Amino acid sequence: EAGVTQSPTHLIKTRGQQVTLRCSPISGHTSVYWYQQALGLGLQFLLWYDEGEERNRGNFPPRFSGRQFPNYSSELNVNALELEDSALYLCASSTRQGQTQYFGPGTRLLVL
Amino acid sequence: QKEVEQNSGPLSVPEGAIASLNCTYSDRVSQSFFWYRQYSGKSPELIMSIYSNGDKEDGRFTAQLNKASQYVSLLIRDSQPSDSATYLCAVNMQEHNFNKFYFGSGTKLNVKP
Repeated sequence: EAGVTQSPTHLIKTRGQQVTLRCSPISGHTSVYWYQQALGLGLQFLLWYDEGEERNRGNFPPRFSGRQFPNYSSELNVNALELEDSALYLCASSTRQGQTQYFGPGTRLLVL
Repeated sequence: QKEVEQNSGPLSVPEGAIASLNCTYSDRVSQSFFWYRQYSGKSPELIMSIYSNGDKEDGRFTAQLNKASQYVSLLIRDSQPSDSATYLCAVNMQEHNFNKFYFGSGTKLNVKP
């Protein structure tokens, strides 16, 4: 069974640009979670999607947004990139709310 | 107070020793508890889950849960240098009719040869 996949693996952008990160959950999983992990720091919860709906978002500005598609894959969009957005962006999926989360390999974003 | 708290470490143990990692959580309706291992630059991987009070063993790993004390721990027996990583505690809590996952900030473990 394939795990959670994310693309791209690495990304370099400049300040003010926009970026889209993609995530495909494990087959049968309907919930997708996005986390930001800056270098040396803990996981910061960004967004939770379940059955196509945004269920919860963390303490991040509105320029962080996303969506979940009918096939349960998800996109995370970050507009007006800032230097402090440089981080590892992790996607996780679960069968439904609150169940065990399984992580993808992450997308490492560097903003110059 | 954070929902899930862990000592950031680093916790240093010699090879072959028992490493004990601890986690406390806030007073909410908590249903399930998880330990993840994260190697530097990699994504977290699930090690163990525990749902009821007591111990749960899986190979060299033992998870211990004490809901009365709001405390969950992970013991690693016969620690190996390959166990050196950051260990994340996660708790599934019920909040406003939703089940929400909270992660601790992680404890860094160094196993010295």
